[in-house]
Amino acid sequence: GEDVEQSLFLSVREGDSSVINCTYTDSSSTYLYWYKQEPGAGLQLLTYIFSNMDMKQDQRLTVLLNKKDKHLSLRIADTQTGDSAIYFCAESKHNQGGKLIFGQGTELSVKP
Amino acid sequence: DTGVSQDPRHKITKRGQNVTFRCDPISEHNRLYWYRQTLGQGPEFLTYFQNEAQLEKSRLLSDRFSAERPKGSFSTLEIQRTEQGDSAMYLCASSGSHPGNQPQHFGDGTRLSIL
Repeated sequence: GEDVEQSLFLSVREGDSSVINCTYTDSSSTYLYWYKQEPGAGLQLLTYIFSNMDMKQDQRLTVLLNKKDKHLSLRIADTQTGDSAIYFCAESKHNQGGKLIFGQGTELSVKP
Repeated sequence: DTGVSQDPRHKITKRGQNVTFRCDPISEHNRLYWYRQTLGQGPEFLTYFQNEAQLEKSRLLSDRFSAERPKGSFSTLEIQRTEQGDSAMYLCASSGSHPGNQPQHFGDGTRLSIL
């Protein structure tokens, strides 16, 4: 089945690292994504990882994938107040038209 | 290119009215997706097009909903006889299809409020 789960809230201090976690159930997922959504706006693609990779780093963002446990995480280094937003994990299967299955979103609050 | 564009940004209408939303994808993208997002939830897939062909529809898409992409460029999503439960943000995304992974890029959405 298709199910993506995330914890709902995370609060950190400015300058700390944030780690947002996600679990998924469909082992045939091809790609896993992180999107960011600010109030009243659409979704901004942050990064994605192919299912045969373990890690991907892009500036302050590090994605870790544990395929055995079906666990995905997004680490944001040196978190800033501008990083406050809702972060969505999503999975897709390329042979199914690439439609995205999203988690419920994690609201990240960064305190000065 | 300015990205995916959606119009209008906000729509307020009375229950029972028909509404139509428009999405202009990134110009070189041949795939176009519609999602619905309710408060506090992640987006849910509604339907997608490859060029002008509608290839998949979610069971969320009741027969009051219809989507078109007549020339394989912009798309419209129409909701007939709107109901309170249709209040949501309607998001459009586009992507390429080949080769390899082509991530979806989203517009800012149309927020629909049913009075």
